[in-house]
Amino acid sequence: DTAVSQTPKYLVTQMGNDKSIKCEQNLGHDTMYWYKQDSKKFLKIMFSYNNKELIINETVPNRFSPKSPDKAHLNLHINSLELGDSAVYFCASSQAGTNDEAFFGQGTRLTVV
Amino acid sequence: QKEVEQDPGPLSVPEGAIVSLNCTYSNSAFQYFMWYRQYSRKGPELLMYTYSSGNKEDGRFTAQVDKSSKYISLFIRDSQPSDSATYLCAGNSWGKFQFGAGTQVVVTP
Repeated sequence: DTAVSQTPKYLVTQMGNDKSIKCEQNLGHDTMYWYKQDSKKFLKIMFSYNNKELIINETVPNRFSPKSPDKAHLNLHINSLELGDSAVYFCASSQAGTNDEAFFGQGTRLTVV
Repeated sequence: QKEVEQDPGPLSVPEGAIVSLNCTYSNSAFQYFMWYRQYSRKGPELLMYTYSSGNKEDGRFTAQVDKSSKYISLFIRDSQPSDSATYLCAGNSWGKFQFGAGTQVVVTP
């Protein structure tokens, strides 16, 4: 009974392509996040949505566009993929979006060739 | 400068020893602190969550926070080979979680 689930788990694609990663949480949380984990294992926040509204938007190229159709879903669309986009992308959710702990999905390993 | 600094290790300990992990942070706005465990090719899993200076214990795990020196620690007692993983510390300020780079821990039988 997965709490935060992402699809796909692995994604290999060519430079210049457009791809999407989907995330769903069944915890009833109000806030969802996208994090990028680079090859050095450093987790960096990209976006945060609270009840479908964007509340955190870090310095991320505008080729990355999050979309939240409802508070249980937060998808990440990436245009014109570049080699440097290769990383593991994690979706997470938290209850109130202020100071509650975050729960993570299993990650999507994106490889751009 | 990263807001949360953490030694990447690896930290190798024999089975049964105490694992001692620590992080320093620079953001005074952090009020809540977390430790996550991440196995290879898996998502981070929440281990401990603390919100004030002092100690918090949960089974073999003890988390310490010293806000005056901006220092957080995690101790794992009676370490097991299954504790081998990367341990990430994080601070939370108004919904923005900032992570350390993670410390790789190897517990040898």
